[in-house]
Parts: sequence; structure tokens; C-alpha cells
Amino acid sequence: DAKTTQPPSMDCAEGRAANLPCNHSTISGNEYVYWYRQIHSQGPQYIIHGLKNNETNEMASLIITEDRKSSTLILPHATLRDTAVYYCSRGGYGNKLVFGAGTILRVKS
Amino acid sequence: DAGITQSPRHKVTETGTPVTLRCHQTENHRYMYWYRQDPGHGLRLIHYSYGVKDTDKGEVSDGYSVSRSKTEDFLLTLESATSSQTSVYFCAIGRAEDTDTQYFGPGTRLTVL
Repeated sequence: DAKTTQPPSMDCAEGRAANLPCNHSTISGNEYVYWYRQIHSQGPQYIIHGLKNNETNEMASLIITEDRKSSTLILPHATLRDTAVYYCSRGGYGNKLVFGAGTILRVKS
Repeated sequence: DAGITQSPRHKVTETGTPVTLRCHQTENHRYMYWYRQDPGHGLRLIHYSYGVKDTDKGEVSDGYSVSRSKTEDFLLTLESATSSQTSVYFCAIGRAEDTDTQYFGPGTRLTVL
């Protein structure tokens, strides 16, 4: 079975960039990479997604390697409110998402 | 926040009893999804719907059934609950475009004793 792998936890200093990695054992050509985050027990919130080009929005940047098996979510200036669980996922037709187990990001002052 | 509600928000039940969870949306989105969240597994897709009366299985569908008789409602049924179905269940909605984002509901915490 295809697996999505993320480190279980990471720490980041407040104001610094947080770089969260994700690896897919396999990913189809039509599958996008999505990132969501979950704060406390709330429902996950969308952050960003991309196919093969790097993407940036007001929340984050997404770097995708050429073979598309690895991606990095970048929070450019992490704040305490960015402390959350970050999920990498891949999705294709019908947008059926396959999630990794998530990375707990702790932003420390 | 997207207009998604889930009911009940918390439920405790006993093994062998039937349980139905409801997801209700006010966004008129075509796609609706049920996920379960367990430690170490992230979120896993149970079933999804791509229109009224149109549903399909996800990666962990055994022991679950779904129904969608109206655009706004997507029901998840555990015919005979087991302790392994103790989990947090999230509903999500999405528009028709393949690359669209999903919006998640607040979740239902289900405990099967």
C-alpha cells in the first residue's frame, strides 16, 4: 500500500521559518499534494495545495520535488498560534484524500 | 467557517447497537466525505458521496454504510457498533472540481463500550 510519511513532531522558534517535510511512497500524475492543519480537536483546516509547481499563499509556501514524492510546507514566520498538527495528503479524482499520520508542530517563544 | 454541522457531537454506546451520525451542510456542495481519526493513523476515508444517492467506499469502509437522500445531508451508520469503531468522526464537503479543497466539520467523538 502507498504510504505518506511525516515526522511525528517538530519544534520551531517563534518568528523563524517552520519547514515541515512529507514523503509519498507513490503518487499518481493526477494527484495533488494538500496540506491541512488541526488545532486542538477542531476539524482540519485547509492550508495549501499543489500539483508540481511551487505554490505560495497568504498562509504558507509549498515546495514539491520534481518526482513529486516529497514536499515541504513552509510557514515563513511561525507564531505561537501556528502550534498544531499538520497533515500532508494526496488526492485525485473526486478529491479522495489520503492523509499521513501528521506532524505535531510546537512553536516556542 | 463553512456551514457544516455534525450531530451528535459526542456519543457513548454499547457494542452491538446501531449508531447513526449525521452531517448537514448549507453550502450546496456536491461532494461529502466521512473520515475517522485515530492516533497514529491521521484521517482515513470511510465513504464519500458525489451526489444525491451516489456514494462509494473509501479505504476503511468495512462495518459502515452511508446514505444521501438530500444534497445537504450525509448519514454514516454503524449497523452493529464494535469497540474498534471508537474514534473521532469528521465530515467534510467539497465542490465538484477535482482539485478543490475540503472543508471539515467539528467532528463527532464516538465511544463504543
